[in-house]
Amino acid sequence: KAGVTQTPRYLIKTRGQQVTLSCSPISGHRSVSWYQQTPGQGLQFLFEYFSETQRNKGNFPGRFSGRQFSNSRSEMNVSTLELGDSALYLCASKVVGLAADTQYFGPGTRLTVL
Amino acid sequence: DQQVKQNSPSLSVQEGRISILNCDYTNSMFDYFLWYKKYPAEGPTFLISISSIKDKNEDGRFTVFLNKSAKHLSLHIVPSQPGDSAVYFCAATTGNYGGSQGNLIFGKGTKLSVKP
Repeated sequence: KAGVTQTPRYLIKTRGQQVTLSCSPISGHRSVSWYQQTPGQGLQFLFEYFSETQRNKGNFPGRFSGRQFSNSRSEMNVSTLELGDSALYLCASKVVGLAADTQYFGPGTRLTVL
Repeated sequence: DQQVKQNSPSLSVQEGRISILNCDYTNSMFDYFLWYKKYPAEGPTFLISISSIKDKNEDGRFTVFLNKSAKHLSLHIVPSQPGDSAVYFCAATTGNYGGSQGNLIFGKGTKLSVKP
């Protein structure tokens, strides 16, 4: 069974640009969550989607948005990039309704903002 | 304000000895706690969890202890192996069973180095 895949794996952008990251969940997993990992803040929850609807949202500004498609694939978008947005962005998927420990993480997209 | 705290950024242990990683939390509504292990260039992988109705959970070399009154949990690895060298994240959540449970609150992680 293929794991969670994220594309691209690495990305370099400049301040003010926008970026879109993609996540393909494990087959059969309809819940997709996004996390940001930085050295200073650790892993922080961004949002969760299932059935193409945002179900939970973390404490991030509106520049961070996401969406989910009918095939459960998800994208997250960051507009007007800031230097502080440099981070590893992780996507995780699971079966809706199951416990948090059934969540599988992808390898992440390393975003560098210059 | 951090709700889940891992106060030791790093820990070095000799192979074969016990590794003890600590985690403190502030939110008394948390009812489920998890430990994840993360290698560089990989996503975190689930290691072990504990419900707030228990005070101990074991899985092979890994044991998690929960002290609700102190709002403290710890992960014990015995014996430690060089392959255990990774960053360990503690996480907590509320209302774990049923519904949308994506909202894990993570600590900042502890980097464990197990020396041969």
